[in-house]
Amino acid sequence: DTGVSQDPRHKITKRGQNVTFRCDPISEHNRLYWYRQTLGQGPEFLTYFQNEAQLEKSRLLSDRFSAERPKGSFSTLEIQRTEQGDSAMYLCASSLQGGSYGYTFGSGTRLTVV
Amino acid sequence: DQQVKQNSPSLSVQEGRISILNCDYTNSMFDYFLWYKKYPAEGPTFLISISSIKDKNEDGRFTVFLNKSAKHLSLHIVPSQPGDSAVYFCAARGTSGTYKYIFGTGTRLKVLA
Repeated sequence: DTGVSQDPRHKITKRGQNVTFRCDPISEHNRLYWYRQTLGQGPEFLTYFQNEAQLEKSRLLSDRFSAERPKGSFSTLEIQRTEQGDSAMYLCASSLQGGSYGYTFGSGTRLTVV
Repeated sequence: DQQVKQNSPSLSVQEGRISILNCDYTNSMFDYFLWYKKYPAEGPTFLISISSIKDKNEDGRFTVFLNKSAKHLSLHIVPSQPGDSAVYFCAARGTSGTYKYIFGTGTRLKVLA
């Protein structure tokens, strides 16, 4: 297993366009998390899944954001009608059960909205 | 409302000396704390954790101390090595059944050879 994979690594899009990111977690991990990191800040929680169920969503996740994890494997994060303020690094992480021993993060997808 | 604070944005330490990174939190209900290290263009990497029922946890060169009364934790790296140069984040988790962590803003450590 090569860890948590995120695709693409970089995405440049025009304001108003929709974008979708993919995350493939470590195969035996049943929990998957999405975080967002902007310059000079720590990662901010967006949402998390246990298997295919989305159990918690941050207030940061406006109605333009949607995340799915069909069949409890990979996950997608879609941003509709992107805005310049959406420019950030989007990090995916996975863990076994409670995540008490820390998540394993992927390398992230850097989104630039122009 | 920044519940987890890392008030030092940067720190420089000579190779071989001790690095001490600090983190303060405001929510007394946090029950689990993590430290992550992040290199440029990579995701954060888990370093060490501590439960609120302990006051110290050690893993090789890394030791985390927790002072619950002061709502303060610190990461000690001894001896510091140039490869330790990275951004370090502390993170805290609440007890309300959530599995999300709240991260601090990070401290950039530079270990000088």
